Amino acid sequence: AAGVIQSPRHLIKEKRETATLKCYPIPRHDTVYWYQQGPGQDPQFLISFYEKMQSDKGSIPDRFSAQQFSDYHSELNMSSLELGDSALYFCATQKEGIAQETQYFGPGTRLLVL
Amino acid sequence: GNSVTQMEGPVTLSEEAFLTINCTYTATGYPSLFWYVQYPGEGLQLLLKATKADDKGSNKGFEATYRKETTSFHLEKGSVQVSDSAVYFCALTGSARQLTFGSGTQLTVLP
Repeated sequence: AAGVIQSPRHLIKEKRETATLKCYPIPRHDTVYWYQQGPGQDPQFLISFYEKMQSDKGSIPDRFSAQQFSDYHSELNMSSLELGDSALYFCATQKEGIAQETQYFGPGTRLLVL
Repeated sequence: GNSVTQMEGPVTLSEEAFLTINCTYTATGYPSLFWYVQYPGEGLQLLLKATKADDKGSNKGFEATYRKETTSFHLEKGSVQVSDSAVYFCALTGSARQLTFGSGTQLTVLP
């Protein structure tokens, strides 16, 4: 079965650079969530989209932005990168409209900021 | 707001031992409860879930029962295997659809 695809899988950036992370949902999934997992930490919710509109916002820094496109893929744009942004970034996708539907996670993008 | 408190690890067991990882939660309304597992270097995989009180989720020999009276969702397995070594996260969704995770429990099973 098709799974959630994230790219790139690994990314190394310098401080103050920008990064773009991409997430491709499972077919027919219309909701995307982004989570950040620091080393040894639990995943923290950043932002979510449903039908290309932002649906909820968590602890996402102002330096980050995200959007969902017409094909339902999503991109997380990160600017002015800081050392503390080094983390594993997951997206999870879901089929909206089904009660208690499960979120399915991608393999993550590991970002290292030097 | 929502919160999940999870048994602190790490937990080290011998193969075929009984496993319990405690999880309690705070949430308004009627949350759905989940256990996710994360193998080294991989993403999060749903292990099991329960969506209403007294529901029991089960998968791969793991079980957890949604206990509203004690606000708990403890994970159990009768006989662990080396391949069960991973980090286990308890999580919930409430009126907000995003997942709120516990701090994770590292399980190591020794042969």
